[in-house]
Amino acid sequence: GNSVTQMEGPVTLSEEAFLTINCTYTATGYPSLFWYVQYPGEGLQLLLKATKADDKGSNKGFEATYRKETTSFHLEKGSVQVSDSAVYFCALSDRTLGRLYFGRGTQLTVWP
Amino acid sequence: NAGVTQTPKFQVLKTGQSMTLQCAQDMNHNSMYWYRQDPGMGLRLIYYSASEGTTDKGEVPNGYNVSRLNKREFSLRLESAAPSQTSVYFCASSVRGEGAGELFFGEGSRLTVL
Repeated sequence: GNSVTQMEGPVTLSEEAFLTINCTYTATGYPSLFWYVQYPGEGLQLLLKATKADDKGSNKGFEATYRKETTSFHLEKGSVQVSDSAVYFCALSDRTLGRLYFGRGTQLTVWP
Repeated sequence: NAGVTQTPKFQVLKTGQSMTLQCAQDMNHNSMYWYRQDPGMGLRLIYYSASEGTTDKGEVPNGYNVSRLNKREFSLRLESAAPSQTSVYFCASSVRGEGAGELFFGEGSRLTVL
């Protein structure tokens, strides 16, 4: 079946630190992969996406590369800011089934 | 610039009471969804509507009903609330189906059932 596993949080970093949030997936077909971000008190927003193997999604300084060989889609940012404090969700879409599968979310807190 | 609008943002109910969560989108999207978010559980799909006039069950539909009133509006009803329905509820919409992955979410409705 389809599933997404994210690293457990919370993750706490100092401003300008390097961020990695791990995400691995299990899929029956050829999924698209996404990272969503949820800022405090808000709904989820699409942060970036990748639709096929070796694609790199990027937005707002965040990047993630679709690695089919390791079934991973890790989120990275070279220098985090306080404003990046949020919950990050990895997700997988199965176009055949027409479904989207979310990971459990990783809370990131960035201190000044 | 409204996007997806949900009401109410907060609600407290007693066990057995009923209520309806309202959702409207102004992006002319075909598909609409209701999710619940619980700590450590991520998002779980309750019901969805692929197009006006159709609704289908998601992963956790028990205890809920939905109505796709028109293309813009998709409501979620709790007929007899239970403490297990304490959660944050999110409405979302998309141009294509959920499988395309690009959803737009409302700000959420926090429901507490005592």
